[in-house]
Amino acid sequence: QKEVEQDPGPLSVPEGAIVSLNCTYSNSAFQYFMWYRQYSRKGPELLMYTYSSGNKEDGRFTAQVDKSSKYISLFIRDSQPSDSATYLCAMSKTYKYIFGTGTRLKVLA
Amino acid sequence: EPEVTQTPSHQVTQMGQEVILRCVPISNHLYFYWYRQILGQKVEFLVSFYNNEISEKSEIFDDQFSVERPDGSNFTLKIRSTKLEDSAMYFCASDGEESNQPQHFGDGTRLSIL
Repeated sequence: QKEVEQDPGPLSVPEGAIVSLNCTYSNSAFQYFMWYRQYSRKGPELLMYTYSSGNKEDGRFTAQVDKSSKYISLFIRDSQPSDSATYLCAMSKTYKYIFGTGTRLKVLA
Repeated sequence: EPEVTQTPSHQVTQMGQEVILRCVPISNHLYFYWYRQILGQKVEFLVSFYNNEISEKSEIFDDQFSVERPDGSNFTLKIRSTKLEDSAMYFCASDGEESNQPQHFGDGTRLSIL
């Protein structure tokens, strides 16, 4: 079983839709959970960072962590064409981040 | 907003040659990292560095790899004798002086081994 699993997509949605992106993990020692956005030929850009179960909101983005189910989600409200990118989940117990494969999202105008 | 900067953006090198990838982390950060991403694959951890020492490294980071903080601002990754399979994007990251801070990434160096 992979440590972190993420559906690679691609996921296409119309502008204004609510997007749900998900990752599951197997290592219960993970304490920190991150979402990054990556545009083509660019580095991962930090969107959300959390270290506890529950929800964290920042503008149109909400990160959700369920440690009991080993499941994390990122919700994007009122999606925009500029949100089209690859979204990477990452998690860690120490310095070493373990990334998912990334989900390619396309928001259609 | 402060950012991690990496140079060069693209490096082309002959197999067997040494290559040095350079990074300038965010200025008040104390923890530094290298990751790589082979085309079409996930981002993979290589090494973490703190207080002039490697704090953790992956199986990928073998004797051909080394890291150095030669001065107060630069952080480098050296590959001594490059192989075709070293072709990838290499990302530098850094995080802050407090514990439990998220890592911030540069835009990477695309390394192409011929």
